[in-house]
Amino acid sequence: DADVTQTPRNRITKTGKRIMLECSQTKGHDRMYWYRQDPGLGLQLIYYSFDVKDINKGEISDGYSVSRQAQAKFSLSLESAIPNQTALYFCATSKGAGEQFFGPGTRLTVL
Amino acid sequence: DQQVKQNSPSLSVQEGRISILNCDYTNSMFDYFLWYKKYPAEGPTFLISISSIKDKNEDGRFTVFLNKSAKHLSLHIVPSQPGDSAVYFCAARSRAAGNKLTFGGGTRVLVKP
Repeated sequence: DADVTQTPRNRITKTGKRIMLECSQTKGHDRMYWYRQDPGLGLQLIYYSFDVKDINKGEISDGYSVSRQAQAKFSLSLESAIPNQTALYFCATSKGAGEQFFGPGTRLTVL
Repeated sequence: DQQVKQNSPSLSVQEGRISILNCDYTNSMFDYFLWYKKYPAEGPTFLISISSIKDKNEDGRFTVFLNKSAKHLSLHIVPSQPGDSAVYFCAARSRAAGNKLTFGGGTRVLVKP
């Protein structure tokens, strides 16, 4: 079983819709992260959480919000999706400042 | 402004030869550097790392070199194998910035049999 899972794996939605991407981990890690990947730009950090009560903005948080429902769950929401949020989204976890482990990604298309 | 840059978007190499991937950074506060490997439809996986107090780290076929004065690091894969065909991301972090990772844009490597 995968240690870091993301749902859904693929999603097509329309402009203005609210959408939530979910991430779960069984690694027991305290830190969780959300990244987006755009061609040629690598991965950019959206939000990160050091524990359930600690949420921080990353480089590109505008238009996104997050919720850390439990140590094992970290969800990313797009309140009103727009086409330039079409991207590949990755969740990651780490134990402290250690190596980050990534989920398989969610491909989101906003029409 | 990208603080971590991988200027070669793609690289093609013959099986058995050496693959050299390059990465440049601008932030002198970065103190730890990592390489991640990514296959299609999968998330990135950690490959190898190096601390800023070292100039070389080796793990099997993979070696990372760090030149702090030039703010440059490279990943050498030797010998290259077809299974090494993937996208490779360079990443850097600083303790001062809460150990958040900053990624380069990636280099797609194709190893030809």
